[in-house]
Amino acid sequence: GAVVSQHPSWVICKSGTSVKIECRSLDFQATTMFWYRQFPKQSLMLMATSNEGSKATYEQGVEKDKFLINHASLTLSTLTVTSAHPEDSSFYICSAGLRGGTEAFFGQGTRLTVV
Amino acid sequence: KQEVTQIPAALSVPEGENLVLNCSFTDSAIYNLQWFRQDPGKGLTSLLLIQSSQREQTSGRLNASLDKSSGRSTLYIAASQPGDSATYLCAVKDSSYKLIFGSGTRLLVRP
Repeated sequence: GAVVSQHPSWVICKSGTSVKIECRSLDFQATTMFWYRQFPKQSLMLMATSNEGSKATYEQGVEKDKFLINHASLTLSTLTVTSAHPEDSSFYICSAGLRGGTEAFFGQGTRLTVV
Repeated sequence: KQEVTQIPAALSVPEGENLVLNCSFTDSAIYNLQWFRQDPGKGLTSLLLIQSSQREQTSGRLNASLDKSSGRSTLYIAASQPGDSATYLCAVKDSSYKLIFGSGTRLLVRP
């Protein structure tokens, strides 16, 4: 299967700072990437859809100014959590795939802790 | 709005047992359904993908079925092993190509 690499796997930051998470498709070009958030013992909630070369589409209730998404190339999407607060602490996971009914491949996730 | 439900939420079985995990969805207009495994603190590993036109998929000891008209899928695990202990998530891809996840089934296989 295709490989999606996410970096970093974990990060601790101070409240008020910004954190960037990278998601790379290593062996295929991903026209679309998705960013999810997962709270402990809960399922994945879609935050936004990232399309190469265009603006991301955010789900209802997700602040686009707080969670900045950039999909500058067909192999890289980034999620920046701006002015992080403790309530932003969560597990963030990206997935990548070609548009259409194909399999979704996931990164290994990033554990963000804001102190 | 598509909703995905997984039953049971948790399951504990002795090693060697065959088991079935259930997934149901409210809108039958799906492109595909995918079963994932998630170990604690880790990302998702894709187990099986069933296209909307398919009825089942098999991989090793795993078999997944799909009944789109009734909005149901099952994941069958044969001869369970302690290494199968994990959370199993099902997700459906809807008409907007988004994956909608169930809440998962936490499986514990006891030695």
